[in-house]
Amino acid sequence: EVHLVESGGGLVQPGGSLRLSCAASGFSFNTYVMSWVRQPPGQGLEWVSTISSTDASAFYADSVKGRFVILRDYSKNTLILQMNSLRVEDTALYYCAKGGRQMDEELDYWGQGTLVTVSS
Amino acid sequence: ESVLTQSPGTLSLSPGERATLSCRASQSLNSRALAWYQQKPGQAPRLLIYGASSRATGIPDRFSGSGSGTEFTLTISRLEPEDFAVYYCQQNGRPPWTFGQGTKVEIK
Repeated sequence: EVHLVESGGGLVQPGGSLRLSCAASGFSFNTYVMSWVRQPPGQGLEWVSTISSTDASAFYADSVKGRFVILRDYSKNTLILQMNSLRVEDTALYYCAKGGRQMDEELDYWGQGTLVTVSS
Repeated sequence: ESVLTQSPGTLSLSPGERATLSCRASQSLNSRALAWYQQKPGQAPRLLIYGASSRATGIPDRFSGSGSGTEFTLTISRLEPEDFAVYYCQQNGRPPWTFGQGTKVEIK
C-alpha cells in the first residue's frame, strides 16, 4: 500500500527557511515522478514543484522559482522541499503527491499534508 | 501557461440528482493530461478521473469524465451523500501544471 507522510512544517518568520520531507513507502520510489502541491487556508490547490524519477528534470511554479528547491533522497525514499526566503503568501498546507512514470501523468496518491505558517 | 476555469463555483443539488461540472482550458490540452480530484473537508485530494475519462482505482461508476481540447466535464450520475465535496480539474501536460479553482457540490 502506498504511504506518503509529510513532516517539517511549522511557524517561521518572513525571510526564513524550512525543509519539508515526505517519507514514501509501498512503491518503487526511484521509478515515479513526485510533486508538491499546496493549499492556502480556505483556498484551492496550487501546484508548487515536480521532479522526475531520474532527477534529470525539476519544475517550479513562478511563485516559488529561485526560492524553493525540490530534491529526492533515494537512500531514504524521501522527497524534500527546501524553502528559502519565505513570504507570508507561502502560508499553506503542503501536500506531497506521487505521479506516474512519465511527467505528464496524474497524481494518484497524496499525503495528508504539513502546515507551513509564515508570520512575524 | 494553461489556465483552467471551472464552472459553476457552487452547485446546490439533492442526493440522487445528476451533477455536471465543467472545466475549460485557455489552451488546447492533451486529453491524456487532464485529471479530476475530489476533496472533502480536512482531507487530502483524491484522484477520481485521469486521461479525461478513465476512472481511478476504486472510483464508483457513477463518476464519469469526458471532453477534449479545451472543454472537459465531470459527471456524477446520481449524487450520494458522500459525494458532496469540492472538485478540482488539473492539467499536467506541460509545466506549469495548473488546477482549476474548484467547484463545490453542496446539499440543497
